[in-house]
Amino acid sequence: AQSVTQPDIHITVSEGASLELRCNYSYGATPYLFWYVQSPGQGLQLLLKYFSGDTLVQGIKGFEAEFKRSQSSFNLRKPSVHWSDAAEYFCAVGGGTDKLIFGTGTRLQVFP
Amino acid sequence: DAGVIQSPRHEVTEMGQEVTLRCKPISGHNSLFWYRQTMMRGLELLIYFNNNVPIDDSGMPEDRFSAKMPNASFSTLKIQPSEPRDSAVYFCASNTAASGNTIYFGEGSWLTVV
Repeated sequence: AQSVTQPDIHITVSEGASLELRCNYSYGATPYLFWYVQSPGQGLQLLLKYFSGDTLVQGIKGFEAEFKRSQSSFNLRKPSVHWSDAAEYFCAVGGGTDKLIFGTGTRLQVFP
Repeated sequence: DAGVIQSPRHEVTEMGQEVTLRCKPISGHNSLFWYRQTMMRGLELLIYFNNNVPIDDSGMPEDRFSAKMPNASFSTLKIQPSEPRDSAVYFCASNTAASGNTIYFGEGSWLTVV
């Protein structure tokens, strides 16, 4: 069955600290992997995506993610968090123009 | 370029009333998705279309929900009759292979059924 697990419901970090949000997936074929961010009252914005090639992908706002096939993971990282990064982050898996399956999200809180 | 456009952005309606949510996908995109977001269930795919044809409607909760895509630039999600448990944010999204298979989301329709 296709699924996405984000084990951390809520993460709190200090501004300037590094960040890693975890994502594990289950998918029968080669996955297309995505990270989206949602600010309160807003829609979902794409941060980055992995289809093939280099397993370390760079996204917007200084985020990056690494695809590890052996671990079925696609963790999101940022070396130094800014207060404006406070939001909810969703990992998703899909296969081309097929539907996306989303994780339950991780809410990030940033303390000054 | 215009993104996915949804209307209304906010709607408050009474239980039993019909609700129609509208979506205009990005021009040239041939896949369209309707998602529902709630605190309890997160983001759920309700239905998706490819080239205006419904491909998977297994996420549609019950017969009160229906979706149509009469042409490539317009889709509706209808709830009739509405119930308080339908209160949620409904997102429309679209993509195409030419967009790198990235799904682009609208800003959502915030529905409250009282």
